[in-house]
Amino acid sequence: DIVLTQSPGSLSLSPGERATLSCRASQSVGSDYLAWYQQRPGQSPRLLIYGASNRATGTPDRFSGSGSGTDFTLTISGLEPEDFAVYYCQHFGRSPVFGPGTKVEIK
Amino acid sequence: QVQVEQSGAEVKKPGSSVKVSCKTSGGSFSSYAINWVRQTPGQGLEWVGGIIPLFDRPNYAQGFTDRLSITADDSTSTVYMELTSLKFDDTAIYYCAREYSSGAWGYWGPGTLITVSS
Repeated sequence: DIVLTQSPGSLSLSPGERATLSCRASQSVGSDYLAWYQQRPGQSPRLLIYGASNRATGTPDRFSGSGSGTDFTLTISGLEPEDFAVYYCQHFGRSPVFGPGTKVEIK
Repeated sequence: QVQVEQSGAEVKKPGSSVKVSCKTSGGSFSSYAINWVRQTPGQGLEWVGGIIPLFDRPNYAQGFTDRLSITADDSTSTVYMELTSLKFDDTAIYYCAREYSSGAWGYWGPGTLITVSS
């Protein structure tokens, strides 16, 4: 089974700074099946990026995804107050799996 | 616009069963997978199982195959998740999520809190 590892576990940044979140898979995965989700406290997860690099409807363009094979990255180019949340990567193959999440906190 | 509604919170005793509903509206019901994910307090997301109503063949995560049942009712555009032999560590928020056109899960319900307590 595929295991996803995310790093760092948490990130402390100031508004306006750039955030770089990593997701590593235990074996090569198709980019089509890699997604990123944002979860704010008390809310359901929200799809941000699908197919490793495609923004979902409503995702601001400060969010970008990249990567292939086993290494994927979510970049937030300038943090807004509403971006402080937990971010999960996901492989949605036959047995979907999530990474453990990266918490982006206000410094 | 696709909307997803879930049934309300429940408190159950260990060893009992719970059935949670997930009703979708807007867009096609049968063609897109509906998946269930749970989240224990302060923890991450765990996939539990899913179904594509058109094929009516559920897919369950390892560890749930013997006590999980996911079914779909086309007439009401509702998917049900039934978990039996409940344990204390089944206490969690259970989310249902419907596929986006790409296959990623673009539409999420508000979550249903299931508390297992004696």
